Amino acid sequence: EPEVTQTPSHQVTQMGQEVILRCVPISNHLYFYWYRQILGQKVEFLVSFYNNEISEKSEIFDDQFSVERPDGSNFTLKIRSTKLEDSAMYFCASSGSSGRVTQYFGPGTRLTVL
Amino acid sequence: DAKTTQPPSMDCAEGRAANLPCNHSTISGNEYVYWYRQIHSQGPQYIIHGLKNNETNEMASLIITEDRKSSTLILPHATLRDTAVYYCIVRVVNDYKLSFGAGTTVTVRA
Repeated sequence: EPEVTQTPSHQVTQMGQEVILRCVPISNHLYFYWYRQILGQKVEFLVSFYNNEISEKSEIFDDQFSVERPDGSNFTLKIRSTKLEDSAMYFCASSGSSGRVTQYFGPGTRLTVL
Repeated sequence: DAKTTQPPSMDCAEGRAANLPCNHSTISGNEYVYWYRQIHSQGPQYIIHGLKNNETNEMASLIITEDRKSSTLILPHATLRDTAVYYCIVRVVNDYKLSFGAGTTVTVRA
């Protein structure tokens, strides 16, 4: 069964450093998403991406965040200058289309900012 | 802006059916009911979704009341591996994001 994969599973970085989290969505999917979950808190939507552009973003997704689909398989989330409060699990998801079609999530990347 | 209300926790005996309630009294005609679960800190896992008819798949059944103001997720034969946080989410057709609440922590006991 096709699945969303994410690398690395755990990333440790120093405050102020740039990190890139990588995702390989399900191959025939067209919509891509990033969510995050701070320890003990709810899963929060960050951004959705379709046709090489952001289709929706939350207020969390400020100028320090960016997303990219650098090739036909990868989908990345870049955090330019990490802060302590960026420590969280980051989940990538993909769907065949928007609306009622199901989003499938990856296993997540645990980001720890020291 | 919670659209759903779920009990914070519930226990279930292994092998028995688990019935998870969800209230969504302000649901509108173009909103679907989705259920996901999250086992420990893994990525949310899709379970089932529906608009107004009852739905069943290999994982669970979804019963939606006629007025659509509430629903019940049924895990027919709960196992220890079903211990997870279960999220009931209402979502507008063609909306991009899923809005997760706190969910129901379900503990299946042997």
